[in-house]
Amino acid sequence: QVQLVESGGGVVQPGRSLRLSCAASGFTFSTHGMHWVRQAPGKGLEWVAVISFDGSNKYYADSVKGRFTISRDSSKNTLYLQMNSLRAEDTAVYYCAKDLAYRGVIAPFDYWGQGTLVTVSS
Amino acid sequence: QSALTQPRSVSGSPGQSVTISCTGTSSDVGGYNYVSWYRQDPGKAPQLMIFDVSKRPSGVPDRFSGSKSGNTASLTISGLQAEDEADYYCFSYAGSYILLFGGGTKLTVL
Repeated sequence: QVQLVESGGGVVQPGRSLRLSCAASGFTFSTHGMHWVRQAPGKGLEWVAVISFDGSNKYYADSVKGRFTISRDSSKNTLYLQMNSLRAEDTAVYYCAKDLAYRGVIAPFDYWGQGTLVTVSS
Repeated sequence: QSALTQPRSVSGSPGQSVTISCTGTSSDVGGYNYVSWYRQDPGKAPQLMIFDVSKRPSGVPDRFSGSKSGNTASLTISGLQAEDEADYYCFSYAGSYILLFGGGTKLTVL
């Protein structure tokens, strides 16, 4: 069965960096786009970024563009999110999610991880 | 790009039908048939309920249906059950690789 397991969350000071990971299993990782979606405490969902099946295309929400970088390593079936220049408003649970479509990048998200909490605070 | 507009809450009694609306613009909901709906229970990851406006993934009961008219998409739950109580989010592609969620709707089963 499909499993997505995020890790790397924690407490970080404003302006610092953090890298999240998402280990994927149960499907052919190299044929699907992968997304990051976040949810601030008590708030709604916000799409963050997507990477294409082969890593050649990456797209970001305006709120993180220039600060966050999405990447993937198909040899390790792992998705990453490098977060730099973190702000208090980046505090959220970060979910990785699989794109349903073969080689798709515009969702829908058919499988989600359990999420990892990032808290940006001094 | 602004988030799609959903009512903050809806409610219904067991056995009734409820509809959750999701209003966007001609640049997102109205422009593409890439609307999906997600259910989220407290402390859990979201779950896909409807995609491509009206398609149901395997395992989702046929009590859940989706539709779209103009710039507004809708999720209808018929034969409401207590276990349907959750938060529901709509989602749409908005062109140029912009992906938008709605603000979420809390469904209460009375």
